[in-house]
Amino acid sequence: DGGITQSPKYLFRKEGQNVTLSCEQNLNHDAMYWYRQDPGQGLRLIYYSQIVNDFQKGDIAEGYSVSREKKESFPLTVTSAQKNPTAFYLCASSTGTGVQTQYFGPGTRLLVL
Amino acid sequence: AQSVTQLDSQVPVFEEAPVELRCNYSSSVSVYLFWYVQYPNQGLQLLLKYLSGSTLVKGINGFEAEFNKSQTSFHLRKPSVHISDTAEYFCAVSGARNTDKLIFGTGTRLQVFP
Repeated sequence: DGGITQSPKYLFRKEGQNVTLSCEQNLNHDAMYWYRQDPGQGLRLIYYSQIVNDFQKGDIAEGYSVSREKKESFPLTVTSAQKNPTAFYLCASSTGTGVQTQYFGPGTRLLVL
Repeated sequence: AQSVTQLDSQVPVFEEAPVELRCNYSSSVSVYLFWYVQYPNQGLQLLLKYLSGSTLVKGINGFEAEFNKSQTSFHLRKPSVHISDTAEYFCAVSGARNTDKLIFGTGTRLQVFP
């Protein structure tokens, strides 16, 4: 079955630690996205990538980093600079940007110890 | 730039009753509109989308939405809800350019009671 997988489902971060969230898609989509979801705030765009080896900052990129070395993979690193990382993180992909429908993964919930 | 407002953060309704979830947008250019549904601890699933053509859009699970350009609205409706419709619903807007991003509303929690 084609789709988007995210791992782990739950992730715990200690103070000062960097953690990496995995996102893999087998839909052959060019574009991939990372969103952060907080209660009552909807989804906010962290980073997006329209093509391999290229990515752009979204609205809340500070404290996060990404890479796009392969078409099917778009990992997100939450660095120690992100002071409030507790949230639900959603990865999405689409055939292109703009009007193309985005397909979402099941999400990763990040908690701080 | 586009923006979207979901006027109701929560909508309680009894099973088999009709429901309307409201969405208003603002934009100075042509827009594309989407409704997504999110079940607890899951990702988002596309319910329906308006790109052009007929202003009444039918989606999955019996939902439909009407694009009203004069009112800048894209309200979601279902004539008879089920317990299984309990979820968070997000309205989203995008401009027509390939560089435009998808902008989400803050969501409406639909709670269906037996």
